[in-house]
Amino acid sequence: NAGVTQTPKFQVLKTGQSMTLQCAQDMNHNSMYWYRQDPGMGLRLIYYSASEGTTDKGEVPNGYNVSRLNKREFSLRLESAAPSQTSVYFCASSERSSLGSPLHFGNGTRLTVT
Amino acid sequence: GNSVTQMEGPVTLSEEAFLTINCTYTATGYPSLFWYVQYPGEGLQLLLKATKADDKGSNKGFEATYRKETTSFHLEKGSVQVSDSAVYFCAGRVGANNLFFGTGTRLTVIP
Repeated sequence: NAGVTQTPKFQVLKTGQSMTLQCAQDMNHNSMYWYRQDPGMGLRLIYYSASEGTTDKGEVPNGYNVSRLNKREFSLRLESAAPSQTSVYFCASSERSSLGSPLHFGNGTRLTVT
Repeated sequence: GNSVTQMEGPVTLSEEAFLTINCTYTATGYPSLFWYVQYPGEGLQLLLKATKADDKGSNKGFEATYRKETTSFHLEKGSVQVSDSAVYFCAGRVGANNLFFGTGTRLTVIP
């Protein structure tokens, strides 16, 4: 029962470094999402992929890129990390892009940029 | 825009106390509404949901009723346990990829 798996769990970067956060789901879900969670701000959508082969910007896409590698995997890339990107990142998936379809979340990646 | 406003925390209750966490929404159209729970070091887990007016979602003793007239989806539990200590998020969804979250309410239950 893996569900949504994110790697790594923790990461420390220096300003300007790049990295890719990995996400995979084994529930055969069509839609996948990347969120960031910051204190007092709830979750904010970075990018999403409604289905394999498509990606779209969310509320806070600047400084990020994504790749929907296949139906299972959706990665998030920081090309040049900035301290403002210090956050906890969550990947999520849902069976469909429909109103009632809930999201299933991974356990998060805690990223610190110094 | 679309948003949910939920009761600010933190909330501290004694075991077996009654819990209410308020949530109101603003949305274009009629959203589906959700409560998620986040335990320390983990991702969010769906607690319950309601997809139309007057629906009641329930799970693990928690309940919430979708009230269109008051645009609310308040979370309630009759008798909380120490194991309910977590952060609770109210969320709404109005479109395929428009899921919006509240800022979370931290609940601590003391024995």
